Amino acid sequence: KAGVTQTPRYLIKTRGQQVTLSCSPISGHRSVSWYQQTPGQGLQFLFEYFSETQRNKGNFPGRFSGRQFSNSRSEMNVSTLELGDSALYLCASSQQGINIQYFGAGTRLSVL
Amino acid sequence: TQLLEQSPQFLSIQEGENLTVYCNSSSVFSSLQWYRQEPGEGPVLLVTVVTGGEVKKLKRLTFQFGDARKDSSLHITAAQPGDTGLYLCAGGFSGGYNKLIFGAGTRLAVHP
Repeated sequence: KAGVTQTPRYLIKTRGQQVTLSCSPISGHRSVSWYQQTPGQGLQFLFEYFSETQRNKGNFPGRFSGRQFSNSRSEMNVSTLELGDSALYLCASSQQGINIQYFGAGTRLSVL
Repeated sequence: TQLLEQSPQFLSIQEGENLTVYCNSSSVFSSLQWYRQEPGEGPVLLVTVVTGGEVKKLKRLTFQFGDARKDSSLHITAAQPGDTGLYLCAGGFSGGYNKLIFGAGTRLAVHP
């Protein structure tokens, strides 16, 4: 069974731009969560989607948004990029009712 | 605010030594997961513990969940250079909330 796939692996953007990251979960997993990882703050929860609905949300500004499609694939969008948004963005998928999360390799975003 | 305090933050040891990493919280978790992460990659799940007092062994790694489900430890026996990496503990909740609270991580270096 294929693991969690995130694309692209690397992104370089400039301040003020927007970016969209993609995540394909493990087949059969309907829950997709997103995390931001930085050296200073560690891994922080952004949001979780289940059946195309945002079910949980972390403490991030509204510039961070996401969505989930009917095939459980998810996208995350960051608008008006700031230097502090430079981070490794990780997506994780899990089965319904089981909070065991499997992570993708992440998208490394650099904002210049 | 739910916090998971992980210690030590850094550990540099010689091959063959034993070590223990601790995760402590004032919150009660329904599950506690341990991950290992290599540079530039996503966290890889090592184990999930769900029952208070539970002990799980994975070769030279022993994981324990505290009786009150607020703390956990990871013990590595006879560490090897291949154990080098970032070890992360993460607390999960029940009730359909697929959100994990992560510790800050323990960066382990095992020297030959």
